[in-house]
Amino acid sequence: ETGVTQTPRHLVMGMTNKKSLKCEQHLGHNAMYWYKQSAKKPLELMFVYNFKEQTENNSVPSRFSPECPNSSHLFLHLHTLQPEDSALYLCASSPGGTSGAVRDTQYFGPGTRLTVL
Amino acid sequence: GEDVEQSLFLSVREGDSSVINCTYTDSSSTYLYWYKQEPGAGLQLLTYIFSNMDMKQDQRLTVLLNKKDKHLSLRIADTQTGDSAIYFCAERPDTDKLIFGTGTRLQVFP
Repeated sequence: ETGVTQTPRHLVMGMTNKKSLKCEQHLGHNAMYWYKQSAKKPLELMFVYNFKEQTENNSVPSRFSPECPNSSHLFLHLHTLQPEDSALYLCASSPGGTSGAVRDTQYFGPGTRLTVL
Repeated sequence: GEDVEQSLFLSVREGDSSVINCTYTDSSSTYLYWYKQEPGAGLQLLTYIFSNMDMKQDQRLTVLLNKKDKHLSLRIADTQTGDSAIYFCAERPDTDKLIFGTGTRLQVFP
């Protein structure tokens, strides 16, 4: 596998379910990101992890809980979601560290299409 | 505030040039990016430009930056049907943060 992979690609869940989204990057990067893409809205940054430490939480509701056990893996744990949480959830990674176009250029996975019923 | 604006749609004939425009607000953004998203896929980095450059060319892609007007454009020469996708402009005001536009849907017809 190369690049950034995400599983599952599609997920349908009820409002009372608990599920997790998984992201894995094979690029040797140190920073990982979760984005939400809803129809007709710009991409919304949710969380940023740099060297396994969370450096950004963009006022995301607590029903979304990220986990970054190591620099290659990022999870998004979901519980008690609402129908308006239905969206494409994109994971990205970047080299991280000091500023610079090459080091901070983000590479995206294919996304998980989430539908909350 | 931080805001990146793009027109929503662009339709061009195959073989013509496409020009996708973007305006951004944060003059401190040091890098600006263009990403492409095909149906059902994630975002693919196309190119980026450093803020002290006016132009960058990469094969069929030409990026023009007018820093005074905070205007960025992406020109695709000899547009093909495979170029049909959504194109996102993004600015990077902070190290970890990308601000994306809403995307421009490019439709290429024969």
